[in-house]
Amino acid sequence: DAGVIQSPRHEVTEMGQEVTLRCKPISGHDYLFWYRQTMMRGLELLIYFNNNVPIDDSGMPEDRFSAKMPNASFSTLKIQPSEPRDSAVYFCASSNLGSEPYNEQFFGPGTRLTVL
Amino acid sequence: AQSVTQLGSHVSVSEGALVLLRCNYSSSVPPYLFWYVQYPNQGLQLLLKYTTGATLVKGINGFEAEFKKSETSFHLTKPSAHMSDAAEYFCAVSSGGSNYKLTFGKGTLLTVNP
Repeated sequence: DAGVIQSPRHEVTEMGQEVTLRCKPISGHDYLFWYRQTMMRGLELLIYFNNNVPIDDSGMPEDRFSAKMPNASFSTLKIQPSEPRDSAVYFCASSNLGSEPYNEQFFGPGTRLTVL
Repeated sequence: AQSVTQLGSHVSVSEGALVLLRCNYSSSVPPYLFWYVQYPNQGLQLLLKYTTGATLVKGINGFEAEFKKSETSFHLTKPSAHMSDAAEYFCAVSSGGSNYKLTFGKGTLLTVNP
């Protein structure tokens, strides 16, 4: 299996632009998570999906952030408009949790976003 | 609410020395505890986890951790450090049940000196 795939790996954009980050989870996994990692705040959960349905988006920082999962093999995290403080590494993770919340989450390599 | 505190943002050891990375947690219910490792420019990878049962948990690459309820701790150890262990290590907690959220500590950067 190729693991969790994220694109792009690096994104540099200017303040005010729209940014879309993409994730392909591991086939057969029923949960998908979006995290943000910064030096100041560490690793934060933004939102997670179960069977393509958003379950908890309490970590999404503002209305500028939105996430979708149109099917089991694809998810997007969109920031519009972007701001310099959104600069971070964004990770997608997937898991076959079912009824076992302690199962491993598999992380993608991350997208390093820089907003100028 | 659950939380994780990792003592020491940076730990430096010599090759062959004991590795000890500290983690304390707060959880209102019996927790599930995890250690993840992050190598440079990569995503996180699970090292080991505690769910129930034996409190000493063994993971990959010779690491182990012991769940101590009375101390609310889950420290990570390895008897002999190797250069390839240099990475950032994250402790995480989940309260289980229908809660699938992991709360991560700030991480500890491990440096291994030759």
